[in-house]
Amino acid sequence: AQSVAQPEDQVNVAEGNPLTVKCTYSVSGNPYLFWYVQYPNRGLQFLLKYITGDNLVKGSYGFEAEFNKSQTSFHLKKPSALVSDSALYFCAVRGGNTGFQKLVFGTGTRLLVSP
Amino acid sequence: DAGVIQSPRHEVTEMGQEVTLRCKPISGHDYLFWYRQTMMRGLELLIYFNNNVPIDDSGMPEDRFSAKMPNASFSTLKIQPSEPRDSAVYFCASTPRAGMETQYFGPGTRLLVL
Repeated sequence: AQSVAQPEDQVNVAEGNPLTVKCTYSVSGNPYLFWYVQYPNRGLQFLLKYITGDNLVKGSYGFEAEFNKSQTSFHLKKPSALVSDSALYFCAVRGGNTGFQKLVFGTGTRLLVSP
Repeated sequence: DAGVIQSPRHEVTEMGQEVTLRCKPISGHDYLFWYRQTMMRGLELLIYFNNNVPIDDSGMPEDRFSAKMPNASFSTLKIQPSEPRDSAVYFCASTPRAGMETQYFGPGTRLLVL
């Protein structure tokens, strides 16, 4: 069965500093990996995804994520955090087997960027 | 495109009442998902449809919950009778045909059962 772990409930970072939100996964076959962001009282918004190709994936709002197969990780990063990045971040995975498979979401990590 | 549309945005009801949540997916999307989000359990997949057909409803909590998709542009999630433990935010999401895996979420319905 596929699973996702987000080991940190909350990440605190000062504005202008780099940020990392961690995600590890377990899946059969090659993984499809996603990051979503949720702002207060809003639905989840897609940030970026890894399907195949370059291990460094660039997404919306200056975010990027690095796929590391040996460590089964897909950490979300941004070189310089903004206060407006404060939100709840979800990592998700599905297996790369043929046919449709549902996404499995992590429990979410709250990012708090202080001025 | 207006994105995934959900109604109502907020619902307050009393225990025992029937609750119906509505979703309009993005036009052309073949898959529709219903999720529930709570502090305790996080984001849970309740059920999903492919071409209006329910594929996997293993996440539906119990028989009080039912979902339908009568056509490609409309789905409902019904709770009857509702209970306080059903209080949560319910999200609908849709995605195009397989190969484009990004799911697009609606704004959610915040349900409070008193």
